[in-house]
Amino acid sequence: EAGVAQSPRYKIIEKRQSVAFWCNPISGHATLYWYQQILGQGPKLLIQFQNNGVVDDSQLPKDRFSAERLKGVDSTLKIQPAKLEDSAVYLCASSHPQANYGYTFGSGTRLTVV
Amino acid sequence: AQSVTQLGSHVSVSEGALVLLRCNYSSSVPPYLFWYVQYPNQGLQLLLKYTSAATLVKGINGFEAEFKKSETSFHLTKPSAHMSDAAEYFCAVSDQTNAGKSTFGDGTTLTVKP
Repeated sequence: EAGVAQSPRYKIIEKRQSVAFWCNPISGHATLYWYQQILGQGPKLLIQFQNNGVVDDSQLPKDRFSAERLKGVDSTLKIQPAKLEDSAVYLCASSHPQANYGYTFGSGTRLTVV
Repeated sequence: AQSVTQLGSHVSVSEGALVLLRCNYSSSVPPYLFWYVQYPNQGLQLLLKYTSAATLVKGINGFEAEFKKSETSFHLTKPSAHMSDAAEYFCAVSDQTNAGKSTFGDGTTLTVKP
């Protein structure tokens, strides 16, 4: 089966600019996650979708981050305006309907804010 | 709330030696536990998972982990290290009532010396 697709792979922007990341999960995976992985740390959950509904966005900085999954398939994560501390790898993951199977991760988007 | 502590941010072993990566978790409810591996510039790949069946779990690439409730541990082992095992390893915990949301440790970088 095809994996989780993410684009772009790399992005460099100046602070206060906006940026968007795209994710297409594995077919049939109803649950989609966006994680932020800062260098030297483990991934931290930003938002969890079940189909096109938000299950958990408690750790999403809503003043600057937004995410949508309009048709319950692919998803977009946006940052506006970006700060230096947003430099990280943004990982998208999806999970089997039986969520205890663990996640399948995409390769991530490495964001550098200068 | 759940948390994961990975003891030792860096572990170095010789090729052919035993690999032991330590993970302790905290959870107020029965947990699911996972180990993931991350190679440079790639997403995380699931190595193995504990989902309340057998306490000794076997995964890919010869890795295994044992769930020890009394010690709140889920250490990862491999009898004989291979050069290709050099990577970063993450332990993660989720609870069985919300298996889709995992909390990750900060990772352990494994170096394998020839």
